[in-house]
Amino acid sequence: GENVEQHPSTLSVQEGDSAVIKCTYSDSASNYFPWYKQELGKGPQLIIDIRSNVGEKKDQRIAVTLNKTAKHFSLHITETQPEDSAVYFCAASIDNYGQNFVFGPGTRLSVLP
Amino acid sequence: NAGVTQTPKFQVLKTGQSMTLQCAQDMNHNSMYWYRQDPGMGLRLIYYSASEGTTDKGEVPNGYNVSRLNKREFSLRLESAAPSQTSVYFCASSQQGNSNQPQHFGDGTRLSIL
Repeated sequence: GENVEQHPSTLSVQEGDSAVIKCTYSDSASNYFPWYKQELGKGPQLIIDIRSNVGEKKDQRIAVTLNKTAKHFSLHITETQPEDSAVYFCAASIDNYGQNFVFGPGTRLSVLP
Repeated sequence: NAGVTQTPKFQVLKTGQSMTLQCAQDMNHNSMYWYRQDPGMGLRLIYYSASEGTTDKGEVPNGYNVSRLNKREFSLRLESAAPSQTSVYFCASSQQGNSNQPQHFGDGTRLSIL
């Protein structure tokens, strides 16, 4: 079955710097990759997603890149702010309609003022 | 717009007690899910319901049962709680379609079993 690895498990950056989180997946049939942000005491919230027919997607300070050949995808946050501090999860779909996902173990991002 | 609502937010149980976690969504989504979140392990799927009237096991279903009461509501039941079921439980929903759709999560139920 699908396995999703995520690195690093913790990441500290200075405010204004960039942060990059990487995920790898094992099932080449996976074709949809969402990223979630989870703040303390809250549920995960979708921040960006990418489909397998696209190599990159950007939304303001957040971007995601996908390399299907290497089976990895990355989250890039530029100009980080203290409110970006949270746990970030990647996920990969495991059926045709993406109804089910395998999640990575999460990355705790701390943005230091 | 409430989205996905879970009740209760916190609960403490004794080993062997039973409990039902409630989840409701107001987005008219067809599919609903129950996950548990444990430190360092991400989210693991317990059960899901692709549409009203259907339920299927996920990765970690043992010790749990579910009921898809109607399109809006999907409950998770622990018949005889065990300390290993101490976790944060999240309900999610998504729109079934011809292409992949993201899941929308509630804020969780924090369950401790003594």
